[in-house]
Amino acid sequence: DTGVSQDPRHKITKRGQNVTFRCDPISEHNRLYWYRQTLGQGPEFLTYFQNEAQLEKSRLLSDRFSAERPKGSFSTLEIQRTEQGDSAMYLCASSSNRGLADTQYFGPGTRLTVL
Amino acid sequence: QKEVEQNSGPLSVPEGAIASLNCTYSDRGSQSFFWYRQYSGKSPELIMFIYSNGDKEDGRFTAQLNKASQYVSLLIRDSQPSDSATYLCSVSGGYQKVTFGTGTKLQVIP
Repeated sequence: DTGVSQDPRHKITKRGQNVTFRCDPISEHNRLYWYRQTLGQGPEFLTYFQNEAQLEKSRLLSDRFSAERPKGSFSTLEIQRTEQGDSAMYLCASSSNRGLADTQYFGPGTRLTVL
Repeated sequence: QKEVEQNSGPLSVPEGAIASLNCTYSDRGSQSFFWYRQYSGKSPELIMFIYSNGDKEDGRFTAQLNKASQYVSLLIRDSQPSDSATYLCSVSGGYQKVTFGTGTKLQVIP
């Protein structure tokens, strides 16, 4: 399977705990995106990497959120001191810079529940 | 004004009919436009993209773009119950900025 993968698929945690999610993009894709999606809403942009460089981060992203892509391959998203409002589906997408449109392919997502 | 607007629906169409889904956007500098399908509890899957004015057809799907009116639509011909899902419109002004609408829920009635 050469699609985008995410791990874990589900995470239940208690308020105040830290969580870390992993995303493995399509191997030839140099761009990687993180989104958050809540029920009834479209995906909300969180951050974007081109290779290992984090080029954009949403103003909505609090300091409790951090993302890395150390070798330009897989990425991690960490949420510190989780809050109930962090409960959502966290989606990762990847794309390449070939072609005219930056077509993003999504992974299956990580569903986070904060109790 | 939201950057990308879609009617949340639900849009109900009978099996075999044409479903028409609409999306408007506010940024005139937008360059690329995407339609994704999302089944409940699943992640979005790409249906098609369009970046030039006019129509683009792919099987039962046709995307239509009118940059002057800042309007993009998706037509689904011969709608099937398996097409029942939420359809997300996304707009890109460049490789960094991608904005999604809230999606339109489509119900195809057998």
